[in-house]
Amino acid sequence: DSGVTQTPKHLITATGQRVTLRCSPRSGDLSVYWYQQSLDQGLQFLIQYYNGEERAKGNILERFSAQQFPDLHSELNLSSLELGDSALYFCASSVGLRGQETQYFGPGTRLLVL
Amino acid sequence: DAKTTQPPSMDCAEGRAANLPCNHSTISGNEYVYWYRQIHSQGPQYIIHGLKNNETNEMASLIITEDRKSSTLILPHATLRDTAVYYCIPYQAGTALIFGKGTTLSVSS
Repeated sequence: DSGVTQTPKHLITATGQRVTLRCSPRSGDLSVYWYQQSLDQGLQFLIQYYNGEERAKGNILERFSAQQFPDLHSELNLSSLELGDSALYFCASSVGLRGQETQYFGPGTRLLVL
Repeated sequence: DAKTTQPPSMDCAEGRAANLPCNHSTISGNEYVYWYRQIHSQGPQYIIHGLKNNETNEMASLIITEDRKSSTLILPHATLRDTAVYYCIPYQAGTALIFGKGTTLSVSS
């Protein structure tokens, strides 16, 4: 158990819909990262937050957005869903930004868009 | 793009040592070498990391060449539960992890 929690574990929805994925980082961790893993693209970085502020963006679509709240949990919002958005979504957390800051991953949310 | 080269797959007999190589010839001076593994579709699991010295923890050992251009992850006594995809990643704190295709390790009895 990494200490990072994600809800829900599974999500089935239809094209055009909007969903919210939730991540609770390890106690004390200020950084949260979101990653997407699809069959054809592998694990790809989406976005990073540090202490409530967006810090870096990766291959995140404009239909996707995220935020980190004062209690440090984070939400990833996916809208106008397409079949190709079906994937595993992982979040990871780390203490901060310096030194040997290991990222620890949650169990993921499996999204299926029908 | 991933900055590493790993063999796509490796086999290992249960109880034997598994030695997983990784080439990271373009690693920069402030990047550590991190190893993660992913068992089936679970979240990636941190294994070990190092800068330039060899490292050992309860899961594995990490051997980094003196020029830091390659490393080897050693699982001393592989078990069936070690069957997974193993990723070697040069990493600087505060940045995103860039995953390549990794090595699929199959441990058989």
